[in-house]
Amino acid sequence: GDQVEQSPSALSLHEGTSSALRCNFTTTTRSVQWFRQNSRGSLINLFYLASGTKENGRLKSAFDSKELYSTLHIRDAQLEDSGTYFCAAEAITGGYKVVFGSGTRLLVSP
Amino acid sequence: NSKVIQTPRYLVKGQGQKAKMRCIPEKGHPVVFWYQQNKNNEFKFLINFQNQEVLQQIDMTEKRFSAECPSNSPCSLEIQSSEAGDSALYLCASSLPQQDTQYFGPGTRLLVL
Repeated sequence: GDQVEQSPSALSLHEGTSSALRCNFTTTTRSVQWFRQNSRGSLINLFYLASGTKENGRLKSAFDSKELYSTLHIRDAQLEDSGTYFCAAEAITGGYKVVFGSGTRLLVSP
Repeated sequence: NSKVIQTPRYLVKGQGQKAKMRCIPEKGHPVVFWYQQNKNNEFKFLINFQNQEVLQQIDMTEKRFSAECPSNSPCSLEIQSSEAGDSALYLCASSLPQQDTQYFGPGTRLLVL
C-alpha cells in the first residue's frame, strides 16, 4: 500500500492567513523532506527532518516518528507561496530512496 | 538552492526510439537518484547509485532502462525503446551518503509521440 498519505490535496488561502499540510506514514519512517514544486517543475527544498521541528521564516515543519506523521505550517501566506507542496519520506529499509506524497496544490489569492 | 544539472530540459521522441537524459550531481554528492513524475504528479523511484554502484532499482528500470554513473562523467538514464506511457518529468537528485537532504535538478520533460 501507499506509504505516504498527504492532505489536503488542494488548498486555497487568502493572503495573510495560515494553514497546515499533513503527511501520515503507514510504515516507520527515518526522515521526511518537504518540497515546493513551481510551475516549471523545479523542486525547491523547504525542510529535511529526522525528528523534531524546524522553522524557516513563515514556514514551520514538525516530524513525529513515533506517531508517524509530519506537518508543514504556513503562516501569513503570500502570493509567492502558491505551488504544489510535497512531502517525501525515507523508509528505514535503507538505500536512501524516498516515497513522495500525492501533493497539495496551494493557491494563495489577494 | 540546488546545483544539480539536468540536460536536456525537453526531449521529444517517437515510440520505439531511445531517449537519453543526463545529470550532473552536486559536487561532493556520491548518491544519485532518478525519479519519474507523471502527469498526475505521482512520483516513482527508478534507480539510485552510490558512486558507480547501483543501490536499488525497480523492475521496470532493470528491464527497459539503461542507467549509469561513471566516474568523472555525467550520470545518464536511457529508455531503450520509448513508449507513450514514458512521457513524464524525469528528476535527478543527489545527496550525501548519510541521512540527508536530496537536492533535485530541474528535470527532463520527455514527450513520447
